Amino acid sequence: GENVEQHPSTLSVQEGDSAVIKCTYSDSASNYFPWYKQELGKRPQLIIDIRSNVGEKKDQRIAVTLNKTAKHFSLHITETQPEDSAVYFCAASTISGGFKTIFGAGTRLFVKA
Amino acid sequence: KAGVTQTPRYLIKTRGQQVTLSCSPISGHRSVSWYQQTPGQGLQFLFEYFSETQRNKGNFPGRFSGRQFSNSRSEMNVSTLELGDSALYLCASYRDTDTQYFGPGTRLTVL
Repeated sequence: GENVEQHPSTLSVQEGDSAVIKCTYSDSASNYFPWYKQELGKRPQLIIDIRSNVGEKKDQRIAVTLNKTAKHFSLHITETQPEDSAVYFCAASTISGGFKTIFGAGTRLFVKA
Repeated sequence: KAGVTQTPRYLIKTRGQQVTLSCSPISGHRSVSWYQQTPGQGLQFLFEYFSETQRNKGNFPGRFSGRQFSNSRSEMNVSTLELGDSALYLCASYRDTDTQYFGPGTRLTVL
């Protein structure tokens, strides 16, 4: 069945450094790739997304890249801050006759001040 | 505009019981998806509803069911509860675009 693998499961960086989280998906029909941030005890919040016809998207300190051939997409956070500490989930969605989203297992990011 | 709401926020049940969770989407959103979140399995897709019709379904047993009403509010039901059903149940609503907005979740504990 459909699967999204996410690495690493835990990531610890120093404040100001960059953080990179990588995901691989299996369903070639996936055409929408959102990233969510979930702080402890809170709901997941969309931080950035990318569609299959785009290779890269940037929003201030956050960027996402997509390689459809390799079925691989990544989240890049630059100049990390302590408030970036949270669990980040990648997801692959298929928008065809409905909307089905498969999430990665999550990456717990720690940003040390 | 009010966000996605879910009721109840917390629920404690015993094995064998059944439970119904409710989700009210953002006004104007006709689609609702449900997810189960557990520490070990992460976020797993349960099902998706649009205009009172189930469009997609995840790999959960038939004990998990749902429905959507004409006002787009959705309910999910879990019958014959098992200990492993303890989880945070999240619903998300969206319009015809792709951005899903999550509710706060219902934390279900099965004893």
